[in-house]
Amino acid sequence: GENVEQHPSTLSVQEGDSAVIKCTYSDSASNYFPWYKQELGKRPQLIIDIRSNVGEKKDQRIAVTLNKTAKHFSLHITETQPEDSAVYFCAAGGAGNKLTFGGGTRVLVKP
Amino acid sequence: EAGVAQSPRYKIIEKRQSVAFWCNPISGHATLYWYQQILGQGPKLLIQFQNNGVVDDSQLPKDRFSAERLKGVDSTLKIQPAKLEDSAVYLCASSLVGRGEGQFFGPGTRLTVL
Repeated sequence: GENVEQHPSTLSVQEGDSAVIKCTYSDSASNYFPWYKQELGKRPQLIIDIRSNVGEKKDQRIAVTLNKTAKHFSLHITETQPEDSAVYFCAAGGAGNKLTFGGGTRVLVKP
Repeated sequence: EAGVAQSPRYKIIEKRQSVAFWCNPISGHATLYWYQQILGQGPKLLIQFQNNGVVDDSQLPKDRFSAERLKGVDSTLKIQPAKLEDSAVYLCASSLVGRGEGQFFGPGTRLTVL
């Protein structure tokens, strides 16, 4: 089955700096890659997603890039703000139409 | 648009007891998912329904876990008997199309097994 590795597990950045989270996946049939943000004690919320026919997608301060050949994708957050502090999960949609999640990255934005 | 609803929000039980969780998906969402999220880990899919049929239950511990989705809307997840390692947050999600895309999560049920 699909296996998703996510790095780093924790990330501390200064407010205003950029944050980058990287994920690799194993199943070349995966074609859908969402990112979720989960604040403490709350539900995961979809923040951005990308499909395999697109290499990059942006939405305001967040962007996702996908390299299908290398089987990795990344989340970029620019001009980080304290409200960006949360746990971020990547996921890959593989064969069978289910999502496999990475282990999560705890992001702390220091004011 | 109302979101995914789950109840109860919290549950504490003794090991070997049984417990049930309820989920009401977003109206019109044909696909419903149950995930288990152990503290510090990403959600793990337990079972996926398309309408009232099971699409994937390969990671559901069928000796103790069961789930149903009657009439293709609400769903219940049951654990009987519970073990200590079942302590986790149980998340329900739903999506409009059956391709895993655009999944929206409920608030979850935090289960503690003592």
